[in-house]
Amino acid sequence: DSGVTQTPKHLITATGQRVTLRCSPRSGDLSVYWYQQSLDQGLQFLIQYYNGEERAKGNILERFSAQQFPDLHSELNLSSLELGDSALYFCASSLAGPEQYFGPGTRLTVT
Amino acid sequence: KNEVEQSPQNLTAQEGEFITINCSYSVGISALHWLQQHPGGGIVSLFMLSSGKKKHGRLIATINIQEKHSSLHITASHPRDSAVYICAVSSPGTYKYIFGTGTRLKVLA
Repeated sequence: DSGVTQTPKHLITATGQRVTLRCSPRSGDLSVYWYQQSLDQGLQFLIQYYNGEERAKGNILERFSAQQFPDLHSELNLSSLELGDSALYFCASSLAGPEQYFGPGTRLTVT
Repeated sequence: KNEVEQSPQNLTAQEGEFITINCSYSVGISALHWLQQHPGGGIVSLFMLSSGKKKHGRLIATINIQEKHSSLHITASHPRDSAVYICAVSSPGTYKYIFGTGTRLKVLA
């Protein structure tokens, strides 16, 4: 158990809908990273927050947004969902250095 | 060309064999990571390397910073080692990970 929690574990929704994925980092970790794992693209970095502020952005679509709250948990919002958004979404946390601890992931299926 | 390249993509071995998975990268890094992902999805960190060599049980990881290359070795492989092994590098500054495409390992009893 990495200490990083993600909810929900599984999510099935229809095209055009909006969902929110939640991540609670390890106690004391200030950074949260979001990653997407799809069959065709593999694992890709989406966005990073550090202590409430956006720190780095990767291949994140405009339909996706994220935030980190004062208690350091983070949410990834996906809207106008398309079939191609079906993927595993991981969050990871770290205190300050390069070692990250991954959550169990949220499997999103868009039908 | 991907910034992190792994080989082979797929590997089938007999129990007891010595296994090597290779990773090359073309960007500046703060560290290199070897990750393991079992069916069902969870990602576990095996090693973080910035130089030299690390060993944990039957797993050994090495990195050559000058050549931008790393290897993961599994000695005396076992069916429970069957998983996807992923090489990732963390970027200087943000430490965001850039991933290789993974190596799917199957060890037969």
